[in-house]
Amino acid sequence: GDSVTQMEGPVTLSEEAFLTINCTYTATGYPSLFWYVQYPGEGLQLLLKATKADDKGSNKGFEATYRKETTSFHLEKGSVQVSDSAVYFCALTGGTSYGKLTFGQGTILTVHP
Amino acid sequence: DVKVTQSSRYLVKRTGEKVFLECVQDMDHENMFWYRQDPGLGLRLIYFSYDVKMKEKGDIPEGYSVSREKKERFSLILESASTNQTSMYLCASSSRDRGLTIYFGEGSWLTVV
Repeated sequence: GDSVTQMEGPVTLSEEAFLTINCTYTATGYPSLFWYVQYPGEGLQLLLKATKADDKGSNKGFEATYRKETTSFHLEKGSVQVSDSAVYFCALTGGTSYGKLTFGQGTILTVHP
Repeated sequence: DVKVTQSSRYLVKRTGEKVFLECVQDMDHENMFWYRQDPGLGLRLIYFSYDVKMKEKGDIPEGYSVSREKKERFSLILESASTNQTSMYLCASSSRDRGLTIYFGEGSWLTVV
């Protein structure tokens, strides 16, 4: 079945550091890929998405590129802020799945001033 | 904006009690989902529904049931709560026509003692 693997966490960075959170996937067909973010005490919010190979999703300074050849969708940000501290989830949905999401285990990001 | 509302943010229940978690969405979405979130495990799908009175098992349906009598409402039922069901429960919805974006509620923290 479909699966998503995220890099081990937690991740701790200083403000203005470069962020990479790795995500790889296994899926049949051509999935759509997502990054969701969960701020403390809140539900999940869609951060960005990509629906086909080589698409780049971007939002709030975050970017991720759908790499079919390496089955990856790594999240990057050039300069993190304290307000980016949250849990980040990589996820995918397959073509006939009624929009069901398969999630990675989540990566806790803490940014210090 | 789409709003997915979970009626209870925090609940404490006793072992063996019957527990109802309610979810309402206001965007006429066909698809609705219940996920469970546990540290290190990400989100796991319990049940989903793609139409009124329709339901499908997700990855971890054991110990749970659901009800969808109206399009906007999707209820998760724990017939006899157990301590291993202590968790964060997240409801979500999406449109069949624009199924790539899934909207989440803020979550319900359930503690079973």
